[in-house]
Amino acid sequence: NAGVTQTPKFQVLKTGQSMTLQCAQDMNHNSMYWYRQDPGMGLRLIYYSASEGTTDKGEVPNGYNVSRLNKREFSLRLESAAPSQTSVYFCASRKGGNQPQHFGDGTRLSIL
Amino acid sequence: DQQVKQNSPSLSVQEGRISILNCDYTNSMFDYFLWYKKYPAEGPTFLISISSIKDKNEDGRFTVFLNKSAKHLSLHIVPSQPGDSAVYFCAASAREAGTASKLTFGTGTRLQVTL
Repeated sequence: NAGVTQTPKFQVLKTGQSMTLQCAQDMNHNSMYWYRQDPGMGLRLIYYSASEGTTDKGEVPNGYNVSRLNKREFSLRLESAAPSQTSVYFCASRKGGNQPQHFGDGTRLSIL
Repeated sequence: DQQVKQNSPSLSVQEGRISILNCDYTNSMFDYFLWYKKYPAEGPTFLISISSIKDKNEDGRFTVFLNKSAKHLSLHIVPSQPGDSAVYFCAASAREAGTASKLTFGTGTRLQVTL
């Protein structure tokens, strides 16, 4: 029972490089989310997808783009990475109603 | 503007005693609250939730209390066990038409349960 799977687990980039973080869920959930976690700041919402075919900005969308490829997959793209985007990125999914969000184990991204 | 606040970055409790983790919020539109537990190098795991129509929800050793007038909630763990040592995040959402129940997280409290 995989749940939410994120790839890669670790990545080091140089400033200006591009990168796509992948997320897939096997729980037939409708909504998917991308968060970043920085020291002392909790998790902040970057983008979310309420359902297949829709995406919306969260609290900190600048510098990111997303694609809801199908119901299972939701990717996060950094077009031109900056050191301020060094963070741990979490993907989550949720079925709907008052069901809680389920999280993947994160991608630790360092930008030099 | 931190809408969900966890003012205690860390808490140390002896095994067998009660752990009380606190959370305050400022947005009166929040109507659903959750607690997540996070171990190092893992994603947050859902622990327990409460709707604003209730003031208490219990699940085994975990109880969440909600005081809407004070905009305050707390998580009680009784009895505390060494395996409870983790970072605990409080989160809140507001029911808005057409949205995906976005969560706003607090900054977390690191709980250490000592022997």
